Amino acid sequence: DAKTTQPNSMESNEEEPVHLPCNHSTISGTDYIHWYRQLPSQGPEYVIHGLTSNVNNRMASLAIAEDRKSSTLILHRATLRDAAVYYCIRPIKAAGNKLTFGGGTRVLVKP
Amino acid sequence: SAVISQKPSRDICQRGTSLTIQCQVDSQVTMMFWYRQQPGQSLTLIATANQGSEATYESGFVIDKFPISRPNLTFSTLTVSNMSPEDSSIYLCSVDNGYEQYFGPGTRLTVT
Repeated sequence: DAKTTQPNSMESNEEEPVHLPCNHSTISGTDYIHWYRQLPSQGPEYVIHGLTSNVNNRMASLAIAEDRKSSTLILHRATLRDAAVYYCIRPIKAAGNKLTFGGGTRVLVKP
Repeated sequence: SAVISQKPSRDICQRGTSLTIQCQVDSQVTMMFWYRQQPGQSLTLIATANQGSEATYESGFVIDKFPISRPNLTFSTLTVSNMSPEDSSIYLCSVDNGYEQYFGPGTRLTVT
């Protein structure tokens, strides 16, 4: 079961940080956490992934809880372009990293 | 990274007809995936297509309705057969490089 749980939506003001939580309480020791986002009228795009340690890249940071049952995607300074649906996913490695998309979190950024 | 193109970008089709969607990747990849995104919904995986083998379909999707071809490592097609209005969706292909998936821009299909 690769289920994750996310809030349906979140709002943020432009230039402020956004913290997007994800619960994955059934995660196993070797499951990665991936985040994708889907901008309006586009296909999803990869954001970041991690296993145990916190991860940073040019788009975002990923903070993974010590017990790995939850994680938080951090957008440090939201811009209007960051308005999208953000998906927290546990790829199924045994099936070629198959992705199962849940409902995701719709992020609204207010100017 | 991988750049993916899809053809057509959109189409309007009559019920009972079939449409073949093409997915072209700019590099050789082993795994390709086909997804459907119904209006206002999240993505649902239709099937996984490996070159040289039969596609693997997810629960609720069958080969007769969604036949897939994977003739080489850079190309795949998905056919939506005997279409009904319920097939109106965006169809997307993606590829996996072992770390992340790259998605095509999608094909928006409307069935009247």
